[in-house]
Amino acid sequence: DVKVTQSSRYLVKRTGEKVFLECVQDMDHENMFWYRQDPGLGLRLIYFSYDVKMKEKGDIPEGYSVSREKKERFSLILESASTNQTSMYLCATKGVNYGYTFGSGTRLTVV
Amino acid sequence: EDKVVQSPLSLVVHEGDTVTLNCSYEVTNFRSLLWYKQEKKAPTFLFMLTSSGIEKKSGRLSSILDKKELFSILNITATQTGDSAIYLCAVYGGATNKLIFGTGTLLAVQP
Repeated sequence: DVKVTQSSRYLVKRTGEKVFLECVQDMDHENMFWYRQDPGLGLRLIYFSYDVKMKEKGDIPEGYSVSREKKERFSLILESASTNQTSMYLCATKGVNYGYTFGSGTRLTVV
Repeated sequence: EDKVVQSPLSLVVHEGDTVTLNCSYEVTNFRSLLWYKQEKKAPTFLFMLTSSGIEKKSGRLSSILDKKELFSILNITATQTGDSAIYLCAVYGGATNKLIFGTGTLLAVQP
C-alpha cells in the first residue's frame, strides 16, 4: 500500500512565522498535491507537482509556495503565516490509476 | 468553470436508516467520479465510477453514475454510528486532468 506521511498532525504558529509542512510518499509516484480543507468549501487545490523541481499553481496559491527537490518529498511553505491560513492541510499522491492517496492531514492554527 | 456540487451539506439520521447522498457535476473532459469517506483524518477511497448505470457495491454502501444527467448517488443502508463521516465526491477531469472535489456531505448517525 502507498503510504503518504505528513510530518505533523497539529501545528500552532504565530502570525508572520514561516511555516513548513512536509509530505513524504514511499511509492515513487510522480504526481503530488497539496489541498486545504475548510468547512463548507471542501478541498481546494493549492499547488501540485508532476515531477521533481516541477510545480504548478492550483486554485488558491496565494500566500503559499512549494518545493520538490526529491521525488518522494513535497513541501508546502507559508512564507508569512496569517490567521486566514488556519485550516486542515492534506497532501495526496496519484499513481497510474485515477485514485489519489491522502496523508492524514495537518491541522494548522495560526494565532 | 468546472464544478462538483454535493447535497445535502449535512445530514443527521438514526441507526438503521437508509441515506442517499447526491453529487452533481459539470466538468470538462470527464474521466471518472470517485467517492471518499473522511473520518477524523485522511479521506479513504470508497468507489470509482466510469460507466453509466453500473452499480458498485461494498457491503452496505453502493453507488451509481448517470453520465447523461451528470450525477452520482451514494447509498448507505442500515446505517451505523461508524458511518458518521464526511463523504466526498470528486471528479477526475477538467482542463488539467486532476481531481475536482465537492464540498462534502457531513453525515451524523445517532444511536
